[in-house]
Amino acid sequence: QVTLKESGPALVKPTQTLTLTCTFSGFSLSTIGMRVAWIRQPPGKALEWLARIDWDDDKFYSTSLKTRLTISKDTSKNQVVLSMTNVDPGDTATYYCARMPTSISSFDYWGQGTLVTVSS
Amino acid sequence: DIQMTQSPSSLSASVGDRVTITCRASQSIKSYLNWYQQKPGKAPKLLIYDASSLQKGAPSRFSGSGSGTDFILTISSLQPEDFATYYCQQSHTAPQTFGGGTKVEVK
Repeated sequence: QVTLKESGPALVKPTQTLTLTCTFSGFSLSTIGMRVAWIRQPPGKALEWLARIDWDDDKFYSTSLKTRLTISKDTSKNQVVLSMTNVDPGDTATYYCARMPTSISSFDYWGQGTLVTVSS
Repeated sequence: DIQMTQSPSSLSASVGDRVTITCRASQSIKSYLNWYQQKPGKAPKLLIYDASSLQKGAPSRFSGSGSGTDFILTISSLQPEDFATYYCQQSHTAPQTFGGGTKVEVK
């Protein structure tokens, strides 16, 4: 059974660094062809793709956010971590992690999401 | 980046209606196009991958077509549980961008 779950602070102050952890089970990120990504959704708005890390440690980032994002994995813990520096209220959103196997090149399993509010 | 444009942004329909949603890519993405359904307060759910492949567990009234830059999601007979927001997403090139969404509402 595949599951993913996001964790992190619900509230962060402007200019701080946000760190989110995706803890998953039912698959391994060391399996060839496996990928995990982060996606966010501001309240009432559309989905926004943020970053992706692959089984071979390749990393990809949103063009507009790449200077602020870092994605990493800990295969032994089945975790993917996303860090976002210098947050502002515009980063308030529900943050999701999701699995993307190359066999179907789509997000077939998603976490429940975690709402992060940026406010002083 | 590849831009994904969905239309319409919203539509009103009745149970039993045939519904079509279009998605256009700013450059060719071959068949690397996915469709998701999202209900309020929930994570998106994969419906269609590779433009026309039905995800396991997705109802057969959902179908997808297209290739290159133009794609369509069709709901053959709208059911009460289909009122939701639908997103397309390209998986051809990172960043793997989403469309702006189409909200299907009750007429």
